[in-house]
Amino acid sequence: AQSVTQLDSQVPVFEEAPVELRCNYSSSVSVYLFWYVQYPNQGLQLLLKYLSGSTLVESINGFEAEFNKSQTSFHLRKPSVHISDTAEYFCAVSDLDDYKLSFGAGTTVTVRA
Amino acid sequence: SQTIHQWPATLVQPVGSPLSLECTVEGTSNPNLYWYRQAAGRGLQLLFYSVGIGQISSEVPQNLSASRPQDRQFILSSKKLLLSDSGFYLCAWSAIQGSEQFFGPGTRLTVL
Repeated sequence: AQSVTQLDSQVPVFEEAPVELRCNYSSSVSVYLFWYVQYPNQGLQLLLKYLSGSTLVESINGFEAEFNKSQTSFHLRKPSVHISDTAEYFCAVSDLDDYKLSFGAGTTVTVRA
Repeated sequence: SQTIHQWPATLVQPVGSPLSLECTVEGTSNPNLYWYRQAAGRGLQLLFYSVGIGQISSEVPQNLSASRPQDRQFILSSKKLLLSDSGFYLCAWSAIQGSEQFFGPGTRLTVL
């Protein structure tokens, strides 16, 4: 099974500033990669995913993540955050032949005006 | 489109009481189903998953159990709740191995 490390547990950021959330995983075998967002008292929502093809994937609300196989990383970025981006973000990884996802511990993003 | 339901949304139970949380998925067939728990300030812990009716895999030994009586129904149970069972319980489904999982709205359980 994979292990997933989210290097920052808390990220405070000002509105309209950029943000980067770091995610590293343990294995260099072929994987699928995901970012989820969780707002308070809600379930997780899929933000974006990498399955194959272009290493840069984008979400509809301005987030992007880049798959780096050599560094086994899948960092999430947004060039300009909004107050509404305040949430917890989880990185997840799956081996192609596994039913389970391995989740990181989560990064809490707090956007301040 | 597919939807996933969980109920109840919130639950307050005394220590030693039984538990039954239900999850149902609509709009898909033969989904893989999952139960997770989030304790306060902690990440996601996979409790059980199921790849078919009557097939349950347990990830963490504990006083909880799971059942899948129908293709799109997943139930989490306990005979006697402990204080440590408090948390946010999430059900999820996926279509195939390795693919993304889609989460329900969750059940907030408080054991007093």
